[in-house]
Amino acid sequence: AQSVTQLDSQVPVFEEAPVELRCNYSSSVSVYLFWYVQYPNQGLQLLLKYLSGSTLVKGINGFEAEFNKSQTSFHLRKPSVHISDTAEYFCAVSLSGGSYIPTFGRGTSLIVHP
Amino acid sequence: DTEVTQTPKHLVMGMTNKKSLKCEQHMGHRAMYWYKQKAKKPPELMFVYSYEKLSINESVPSRFSPECPNSSLLNLHLHALQPEDSALYLCASSPGPPRVTQYFGPGTRLTVL
Repeated sequence: AQSVTQLDSQVPVFEEAPVELRCNYSSSVSVYLFWYVQYPNQGLQLLLKYLSGSTLVKGINGFEAEFNKSQTSFHLRKPSVHISDTAEYFCAVSLSGGSYIPTFGRGTSLIVHP
Repeated sequence: DTEVTQTPKHLVMGMTNKKSLKCEQHMGHRAMYWYKQKAKKPPELMFVYSYEKLSINESVPSRFSPECPNSSLLNLHLHALQPEDSALYLCASSPGPPRVTQYFGPGTRLTVL
């Protein structure tokens, strides 16, 4: 079975600063990886995904993530955040070629201060 | 178009009421999901329909009853709920294995009095 660890429950940052939200996974087989964002009282919106190919994945709203197989990580980055990026961010993993149901991390709350 | 719609947006019900949540997608997806989400927690999987058949039931109490009338629609029937069932209920869909990317609806905020 797969598992996902989001070590940081909360990440405070000032506007226009860079940010990295960490995600590590555990799996004995190949995986698909996802980042979702959830704004207050809304559903989850897909930010980006890694299925195969290039390990650097670009998503919406200026976010990107890099798949690192040796470190089993899929950290999310943005070079300059805005107040509007304040939200909950979830990392998720599903097994390629196996159960397609994703496992979600506990979430990281990104708080952008002016 | 990657839109999943859910109605109603908000629902308040008593413990003896019967109500239903509705989810719809027109992306041709063949897998649909119900999740329950408590505040500041990740979504918890409740049910999965694959090609209109219930494929996963995560030991959900029988007061929650899913239904998939056709490939575009997913319902969740609610009866005799408890206050602890108050949560955000999310619907999601995906193209179907092996294409696994899930797309979520905006959710229904359920309050049980």
